[in-house]
Amino acid sequence: GENVEQHPSTLSVQEGDSAVIKCTYSDSASNYFPWYKQELGKRPQLIIDIRSNVGEKKDQRIAVTLNKTAKHFSLHITETQPEDSAVYFCAAREAAGNKLTFGGGTRVLVKP
Amino acid sequence: DADVTQTPRNRITKTGKRIMLECSQTKGHDRMYWYRQDPGLGLRLIYYSFDVKDINKGEISDGYSVSRQAQAKFSLSLESAIPNQTALYFCATSEGQLHTFGSGTRLTVV
Repeated sequence: GENVEQHPSTLSVQEGDSAVIKCTYSDSASNYFPWYKQELGKRPQLIIDIRSNVGEKKDQRIAVTLNKTAKHFSLHITETQPEDSAVYFCAAREAAGNKLTFGGGTRVLVKP
Repeated sequence: DADVTQTPRNRITKTGKRIMLECSQTKGHDRMYWYRQDPGLGLRLIYYSFDVKDINKGEISDGYSVSRQAQAKFSLSLESAIPNQTALYFCATSEGQLHTFGSGTRLTVV
């Protein structure tokens, strides 16, 4: 089955700086890669996703890139703000069904 | 957001007890999932169901069972709870690409 690794596990940045989280996946047939943000005590919420036929996608201050050859994808947050502090999860969806395999999560702390 | 509702929100139970976590959804989605969240391990899939009468094991199904009573209801049972099942449990539904999560059930087994 699919295996997703996520790095780093914790990330501390100064407000206004950029944050980058990287994930690798093992199943070259995976075709959909969502990113979830989980604030303290709350449920995961989808913030951005990318499909395997696209190399990059942006939504305001967040962007995701996908390198299918290397089997890795990354989340980029620019001009970080304190409300960006949360745990972020990457995931990969197996081509055979709708199952998501999640990375271990990255705890992001934005220091004012 | 009450689209995916989990009950109870918090539960403390003793080792060896049977416990059921319930999930109901108003989104009309056929696909439902149970995940377990542990610190540093992300979300791991326990069971999933793509339709009523369809039940599939996920990554960590041992010690758990599920029941899909209707399209809108998917319950998770721990037949004999043990302390290492202490975790945060999430139910989710999906249609197409998007997963929608419930608010979670924090289970403590003492």
